[in-house]
Amino acid sequence: DQQVKQNSPSLSVQEGRISILNCDYTNSMFDYFLWYKKYPAEGPTFLISISSIKDKNEDGRFTVFLNKSAKHLSLHIVPSQPGDSAVYFCAVNYGQNFVFGPGTRLSVLP
Amino acid sequence: DSGVTQTPKHLITATGQRVTLRCSPRSGDLSVYWYQQSLDQGLQFLIHYYNGEERAKGNILERFSAQQFPDLHSELNLSSLELGDSALYFCASSVENGSPTDTQYFGPGTRLTVL
Repeated sequence: DQQVKQNSPSLSVQEGRISILNCDYTNSMFDYFLWYKKYPAEGPTFLISISSIKDKNEDGRFTVFLNKSAKHLSLHIVPSQPGDSAVYFCAVNYGQNFVFGPGTRLSVLP
Repeated sequence: DSGVTQTPKHLITATGQRVTLRCSPRSGDLSVYWYQQSLDQGLQFLIHYYNGEERAKGNILERFSAQQFPDLHSELNLSSLELGDSALYFCASSVENGSPTDTQYFGPGTRLTVL
């Protein structure tokens, strides 16, 4: 049973518009969430994280929102650029275990 | 370039065989993590070592084992290989002992194909 879910396997967005990637989790004890980006033939790269004591964290064009009651987080990319085209993984750090979602492939169209 | 190196880049072997994957962490990083990514799957956490000691185990099969050496490089040993073990194996390193705020830096991965 997946503890971290990313229900959209893929997403296409026009350049300059907002990309919203979603992630749901099942365990209310999870308290630290991360987003990674992965290009083909490379390892994942850390993007942004959020602790459960916050509901929003921003870093440049990337913002992560956390809704604890809904056990849902989302990554917003504004404005989207073609270089953002990659697979995005949501992950949880829980008790020194790391649980990753299956990923969402984002395509930003020029 | 994350600073984490993994060798070999590709490995093709037969069922029943044993292989060793190697990972060198970033300079100064004490933690090493191993992950498996099967086709169209997310990353599955296998095991975490900190400064030579095992710290956490995830979904690691009994046929798999790992160790971290005094120079902090790590090896993942996969034995009695099955077709289903074909996957990308990633190593990541971080400075700390798996604290929530610790950032992991991933290597480029080793693609294992079992025929």
